[in-house]
Amino acid sequence: GIQVEQSPPDLILQEGANSTLRCNFSDSVNNLQWFHQNPWGQLINLFYIPSGTKQNGRLSATTVATERYSLLYISSSQTTDSGVYFCAVQIQGAQKLVFGQGTRLTINP
Amino acid sequence: DTAVSQTPKYLVTQMGNDKSIKCEQNLGHDTMYWYKQDSKKFLKIMFSYNNKELIINETVPNRFSPKSPDKAHLNLHINSLELGDSAVYFCASSLRQGAEKLFFGSGTQLSVL
Repeated sequence: GIQVEQSPPDLILQEGANSTLRCNFSDSVNNLQWFHQNPWGQLINLFYIPSGTKQNGRLSATTVATERYSLLYISSSQTTDSGVYFCAVQIQGAQKLVFGQGTRLTINP
Repeated sequence: DTAVSQTPKYLVTQMGNDKSIKCEQNLGHDTMYWYKQDSKKFLKIMFSYNNKELIINETVPNRFSPKSPDKAHLNLHINSLELGDSAVYFCASSLRQGAEKLFFGSGTQLSVL
């Protein structure tokens, strides 16, 4: 099956810093999504981005499908950005999303 | 107002008991899912239903039985609970099958003692 690798596994930053989270995948995909799991356990869908670039406030994401990776950018980090960020992908013809192991982001005040 | 809601939020029970988790979505979506998140935060799909029809059934023990009475509801019944079943169970939905945006419920933390 498809392999999904996220890096780094852990990231600790000060408030106001910028960060880049990476998701590599091993096959062509027709579906890629980024999720944030906050400290209370809620999973929030950030982006649906099988290709191209999208921006939503301080967050943006880019997927380069031909090179099999996606990047999530967080600018001017706030403590509320803390949590685990998951990338999930689905290959053409498959019926399920496969999740990466996540990046745990901690933003200190 | 909640898009995907599941109950209960916490479930603490003894080994060997039977328990159910309920899920409802008011988004008008056709497809619903159950995911399991283990203690290392790894998320894995268990089941998926499309318009009440089972379309994904991963290698899950037979003690787990999903039921979809209509396309807005997907419940999960677990028989003879074991210690290893302790995890967070998430319900989710998407507009239809295939490459669609996924929306999660708030999760049910199951603790088997």
